[in-house]
Amino acid sequence: GQQVMQIPQYQHVQEGEDFTTYCNSSTTLSNIQWYKQRPGGHPVFLIQLVKSGEVKKQKRLTFQFGEAKKNSSLHITATQTTDVGTYFCAGPGGGYQKVTFGTGTKLQVIP
Amino acid sequence: KAGVTQTPRYLIKTRGQQVTLSCSPISGHRSVSWYQQTPGQGLQFLFEYFSETQRNKGNFPGRFSGRQFSNSRSEMNVSTLELGDSALYLCASSLAGASVNGELFFGEGSRLTVL
Repeated sequence: GQQVMQIPQYQHVQEGEDFTTYCNSSTTLSNIQWYKQRPGGHPVFLIQLVKSGEVKKQKRLTFQFGEAKKNSSLHITATQTTDVGTYFCAGPGGGYQKVTFGTGTKLQVIP
Repeated sequence: KAGVTQTPRYLIKTRGQQVTLSCSPISGHRSVSWYQQTPGQGLQFLFEYFSETQRNKGNFPGRFSGRQFSNSRSEMNVSTLELGDSALYLCASSLAGASVNGELFFGEGSRLTVL
């Protein structure tokens, strides 16, 4: 079945440093979504990408959808302590899985 | 408007018991999907309901079941609980559906502990 892997699994950064998480799917995706889950919280939708090569920005966050629509990335510029949490990508799956979430990247920001 | 409401927030059960979790979606949302979140397996899709019909099902045993009512509220049931069922169960509602270009709005979750 479809697999969606994210790397790295964990990332510790000093406040002010940049951070990037990568999402790789075993199959082509029609769209990809990104969610953020704060510690003890629930996933919150950040953005959806649909077009091949699409790049979207939200303040310090930059999202990119690969040309082949099998990978995506989230880049945070100058991290802040409010960026702490786990970032998940998610895409339409096949077979049993209608939605497949990535394995997640847990970001810790050291003040 | 009110967000997604899940009850109960926390519960403790023993092996062999059953549990029912409830989810009230955002008003106007007809799709409700359920997810199991554990540290080891991440976020796993359980099933999705749309207008009272199960539209999709994840790869979970038959002990996991669900339903949706005419007011879009949904319940999921886990019978014959096992220790491995301990997890955070998240419900999400959306307008169009879990993967039909639909943003998912998650509830706070129900944290189940099986002893």
